[in-house]
Amino acid sequence: DTEVTQTPKHLVMGMTNKKSLKCEQHMGHRAMYWYKQKAKKPPELMFVYSYEKLSINESVPSRFSPECPNSSLLNLHLHALQPEDSALYLCASSQEGGTYTDTQYFGPGTRLTVL
Amino acid sequence: AQSVTQLGSHVSVSEGALVLLRCNYSSSVPPYLFWYVQYPNQGLQLLLKYTTGATLVKGINGFEAEFKKSETSFHLTKPSAHMSDAAEYFCAVSPASKIIFGSGTRLSIRP
Repeated sequence: DTEVTQTPKHLVMGMTNKKSLKCEQHMGHRAMYWYKQKAKKPPELMFVYSYEKLSINESVPSRFSPECPNSSLLNLHLHALQPEDSALYLCASSQEGGTYTDTQYFGPGTRLTVL
Repeated sequence: AQSVTQLGSHVSVSEGALVLLRCNYSSSVPPYLFWYVQYPNQGLQLLLKYTTGATLVKGINGFEAEFKKSETSFHLTKPSAHMSDAAEYFCAVSPASKIIFGSGTRLSIRP
């Protein structure tokens, strides 16, 4: 099973709402990633978890809060977002943490719209 | 600093024609190079990657890429385009500290 699942597929939220994005993989991977992708742009790395510990935070605003409850699950908590945060949020996983030479397996993404 | 440049934001070819998507990189250390494909409303899927060894890398769906150190290039090719190849293609470089994506090339296939 080489699948990364993400829920929900679509999310519309107001600027005062609190919501969460969920990502799950059952490949035994030890690294998980959050990316943000604006339309017609490449993915931008947000966070990396390696062995369930946050290893990289690419200077992401605090209104985005990642959480890795266990090795299979990755959440992204959203609070007080801005309209410019509207984007496709992609989750990915790879075998090992700490290196980017491993193949990353991507989920289908959550399309987020902030009103 | 490491960077990736994809030449041509949009490439259009006829079905059955050669596909050539260009990628040049800049890296101060031996790079790992990747090509990812993104179909509409989907995540990214790895087509192929170069780490070390043979410079001609074969990937899925009939794609291949050749690492040319002297030209700092990693162009993606496919001998015969199929309608199902229409997608966004991203070249990426990993100098081991992070992965850096190019800006992407949208491939269109004409019937």
